[in-house]
Amino acid sequence: NAGVTQTPKFQVLKTGQSMTLQCAQDMNHEYMSWYRQDPGMGLRLIHYSVGAGITDQGEVPNGYNVSRSTTEDFPLRLLSAAPSQTSVYFCASTQSDGLPLHFGNGTRLTVT
Amino acid sequence: EDQVTQSPEALRLQEGESSSLNCSYTVSGLRGLFWYRQDPGKGPEFLFTLYSAGEEKEKERLKATLTKKESFLHITAPKPEDSATYLCAVQALLGQKVTFGTGTKLQVIP
Repeated sequence: NAGVTQTPKFQVLKTGQSMTLQCAQDMNHEYMSWYRQDPGMGLRLIHYSVGAGITDQGEVPNGYNVSRSTTEDFPLRLLSAAPSQTSVYFCASTQSDGLPLHFGNGTRLTVT
Repeated sequence: EDQVTQSPEALRLQEGESSSLNCSYTVSGLRGLFWYRQDPGKGPEFLFTLYSAGEEKEKERLKATLTKKESFLHITAPKPEDSATYLCAVQALLGQKVTFGTGTKLQVIP
């Protein structure tokens, strides 16, 4: 039982490049979400999904795209990377409202 | 808008020196308040969920309490392995959004 798995662990991009951060969970959780963590700002919600085929925007969605074709996977796409997107990205999942989130170990992204 | 404020930002304790971390919150109806522990280079790890004022949860040297405006994470006789950043988060009754505080970085000196 791996929990929430994120790949890659580290990534360096040049401004304007695109990439996809992968997230997979094996707990059959309906709810999945993406956060970014920046110093002094806490975890901020980017996008979330309450089930396969359903996604919605969080607090800071601009520049990011998501889709949810299966219960297990919730990839995050950076369309055209900018230095402001340098951050640590966490994927999290939970079975339902009111239950704690289970986090992956993050992807550290640097955009130069 | 839901808000979570944690204090202090950083705390340095001697091994065995008990203390408390504070989490003040405003939310339009509380579904749950969560405490997490985060080690460097890792994702947050769940510690406790509190649902209503007066509730308390304990795990080893940690005890979490909840009032209508704040939560405390009490650390009794801490050890160096308790060193980590502790995050507080709230979820409102309406919607799925979980709002996080910026955390308290705890360092326990042997």
